[in-house]
Amino acid sequence: KNEVEQSPQNLTAQEGEFITINCSYSVGISALHWLQQHPGGGIVSLFMLSSGKKKHGRLIATINIQEKHSSLHITASHPRDSAVYICAVKETSGSRLTFGEGTQLTVNP
Amino acid sequence: EPEVTQTPSHQVTQMGQEVILRCVPISNHLYFYWYRQILGQKVEFLVSFYNNEISEKSEIFDDQFSVERPDGSNFTLKIRSTKLEDSAMYFCASSLLGLAGLEQFFGPGTRLTVL
Repeated sequence: KNEVEQSPQNLTAQEGEFITINCSYSVGISALHWLQQHPGGGIVSLFMLSSGKKKHGRLIATINIQEKHSSLHITASHPRDSAVYICAVKETSGSRLTFGEGTQLTVNP
Repeated sequence: EPEVTQTPSHQVTQMGQEVILRCVPISNHLYFYWYRQILGQKVEFLVSFYNNEISEKSEIFDDQFSVERPDGSNFTLKIRSTKLEDSAMYFCASSLLGLAGLEQFFGPGTRLTVL
């Protein structure tokens, strides 16, 4: 059974700080997703990656397949970045995503 | 930009009643998914659907649940006889293909409350 662990569970930062959220998983995967969930509940896909690194604006996602680990970085954090960030993985077989518990990020002005 | 839509946004029902949650996936997508999130818990996979049949389902997806693509645009999740523990946010998602490397796009969710 694939376990997806995220850390930290909760993170409070001051505006402008550099943020890192970590995700580790236990089995081989074909892709990893970083998702954002706002208080209303909707889920937005930020990144999907299977190797290396991707950047979109102030967000950077990296993955190390050998170590079964991914990180999501937010540079120059802003209060509007406050949300739950979720890591989800797709195993090499099957179509389902397995989700982590999420990291609640609060960025204070 | 194309998006996945879901209706209703909130559904309240009595225990034992049938509910149908509706989704309109992105138009050229071929794989469809339902996930649920019980309040305070992580998102869980329910079922994936391709070519008019279930391609994978989880242990949660028992005989009370069914999915259907009744026409060319809608994808529905039916819960036959709702239980209190079915109260959750239900998310529909779609992807162009089910292969690795192709992203799932999520709808805004339907909040189901069973009384």
